[in-house]
Amino acid sequence: EAGVTQFPSHSVIEKGQTVTLRCDPISGHDNLYWYRRVMGKEIKFLLHFVKESKQDESGMPNNRFLAERTGGTYSTLKVQPAELEDSGVYFCASKARAQGNTIYFGEGSWLTVV
Amino acid sequence: ELKVEQNPLFLSMQEGKNYTIYCNYSTTSDRLYWYRQDPGKSLESLFVLLSNGAVKQEGRLMASLDTKARLSTLHITAAVHDLSATYFCAVALYGGGATNKLIFGTGTLLAVQP
Repeated sequence: EAGVTQFPSHSVIEKGQTVTLRCDPISGHDNLYWYRRVMGKEIKFLLHFVKESKQDESGMPNNRFLAERTGGTYSTLKVQPAELEDSGVYFCASKARAQGNTIYFGEGSWLTVV
Repeated sequence: ELKVEQNPLFLSMQEGKNYTIYCNYSTTSDRLYWYRQDPGKSLESLFVLLSNGAVKQEGRLMASLDTKARLSTLHITAAVHDLSATYFCAVALYGGGATNKLIFGTGTLLAVQP
């Protein structure tokens, strides 16, 4: 069974440009989460989807960040326009709705804004 | 605001030795996660601890949870080089009926020396 996959694995963009990160959760997982870790800081929660609905987006830093989950399958996280402080690793995670407690993480998308 | 403190931040130990990583948190939660991360890889779930007094073991790693003390420990027995990685604890917060917004500790970088 495929795990949580993220694309791209690495991205270098200039300040002011737009980047879209994609996450494919484990098939059948209703819960999808985005986290990020900026340099020297803890891993921080960004938001949580249950299927296509945003359950909690309290961790989104500002309105330059937009997350979507079309049809309750894959999710995208768009940063527009990117700023230097957005550099870091963006992790996606998923969890089955009814069974188990394990939250599975992807390998992360490394974003560098120059 | 929930704070999760993990210590030590860095641990260098010799093969064959025992050591413990500590995870303190500041508010009530009855679900605590331990993850392992190898460089450039995803967060691998090690343990999910669900109740006070929970103890789980896998190989040379053993995790415990004391919800009254708001403390979890990850004990390493007879360390081997393959255990070198960064270890994170994370505490679950609940909101709106949804589970598992995770608050992460800073991580402990473990280096096992031959």
